[in-house]
Amino acid sequence: GQQLNQSPQSMFIQEGEDVSMNCTSSSIFNTWLWYKQDPGEGPVLLIALYKAGELTSNGRLTAQFGITRKDSFLNISASIPSDVGIYFCAGQGGTSYGKLTFGQGTILTVHP
Amino acid sequence: GAGVSQSPRYKVAKRGQDVALRCDPISGHVSLFWYQQALGQGPEFLTYFQNEAQLDKSGLPSDRFFAERPEGSVSTLKIQRTQQEDSAVYLCASSQRRQSYGYTFGSGTRLTVV
Repeated sequence: GQQLNQSPQSMFIQEGEDVSMNCTSSSIFNTWLWYKQDPGEGPVLLIALYKAGELTSNGRLTAQFGITRKDSFLNISASIPSDVGIYFCAGQGGTSYGKLTFGQGTILTVHP
Repeated sequence: GAGVSQSPRYKVAKRGQDVALRCDPISGHVSLFWYQQALGQGPEFLTYFQNEAQLDKSGLPSDRFFAERPEGSVSTLKIQRTQQEDSAVYLCASSQRRQSYGYTFGSGTRLTVV
């Protein structure tokens, strides 16, 4: 099925560093969301974006909904060991209520 | 309950066997979703219920896959004549309002077909 193009696929960083990951799509989305998934668990919503150009923060996390509506990025500042996990972007478009298209994920490893 | 509960957590099925996966959404949540997550991939949409009505089943990969939510609460995803390519984690999510993207996901059922 269709998936978003998410990059990078993986990141290895030192504790305290900032992280940036992004998602692009060939289709326009009305909503962009960012999730974090820990091993053996379901994804947990981090940030939701509902308007083109919107910039939203949640603690050390900041995400933006691209003006073209075809991309989004997530920044994590001052990373800590518990940030380890897989981060997914997801988009919703058209009239497919509730149906989300997910990216392939970014695996984040933080070295203390 | 406090969260979305899925059972079993793990299921091993022989090829050709039928399986049934259960989802208990958060009490009172109107919308319920099923996703399939293959190893190393993001979740892929299977189907969506609003109360007992199945409004979108466009993601079900074949007619071997069937989902129901007869009383608008618990849902069951059934896979008939399982194949190896059905091996994946099956995630259920629910939300309080229609068209809400504040889903709460369950921990999933890991299905392995041998």
